[in-house]
Amino acid sequence: GAGVSQTPSNKVTEKGKYVELRCDPISGHTALYWYRQSLGQGPEFLIYFQGTGAADDSGLPNDRFFAVRPEGSVSTLKIQRTERGDSAVYLCASSLGLAPDTQYFGPGTRLTVL
Amino acid sequence: AQSVTQLDSQVPVFEEAPVELRCNYSSSVSVYLFWYVQYPNQGLQLLLKYLSGSTLVESINGFEAEFNKSQTSFHLRKPSVHISDTAEYFCAVGGGATNKLIFGTGTLLAVQP
Repeated sequence: GAGVSQTPSNKVTEKGKYVELRCDPISGHTALYWYRQSLGQGPEFLIYFQGTGAADDSGLPNDRFFAVRPEGSVSTLKIQRTERGDSAVYLCASSLGLAPDTQYFGPGTRLTVL
Repeated sequence: AQSVTQLDSQVPVFEEAPVELRCNYSSSVSVYLFWYVQYPNQGLQLLLKYLSGSTLVESINGFEAEFNKSQTSFHLRKPSVHISDTAEYFCAVGGGATNKLIFGTGTLLAVQP
């Protein structure tokens, strides 16, 4: 079946601009995660949704970052007033939501802030 | 709090040689352990996982890992590597209320002919 998909695959923007990154999870997966992977590092947790609600947003670096999942399926990660330090690959993962659980990752969106 | 340490950033090895990629973790809650692989220009793929039961877990392509609670380790091994195993390997620990994953910094396995 279809895996996790993310759009766009690449996004180049200028410092100070607003960006939206989209994630389509595997059908039927109630849990959705966002991670950020900087060059030479492992993925770092940003936020976790169970259904429509953000159950854990402790990884969001500051209030410029926000994520929504209004219908419990597709999620959008929103970054305001982008900074060069936001440049990274943003990964989305989904799972069935029954711990212990396996997360399935999308291909990621590479964000470059000039 | 949970953390993962991958001691080797890069492991060069010749084809058909054995390899071990090291992973140590710390956690104050029950742990679930994972190895993910990232092939060049591809996304993260689950390689194998330990959730409970047998401490030795295997993948379909010949890798295995053993959960060692006393040494807080989950090292990945393969008795004979192929060129196609060249990739970045990430160890991760999960568990707790949200099951978020904490990743190590990754180990690049570079298989040479």
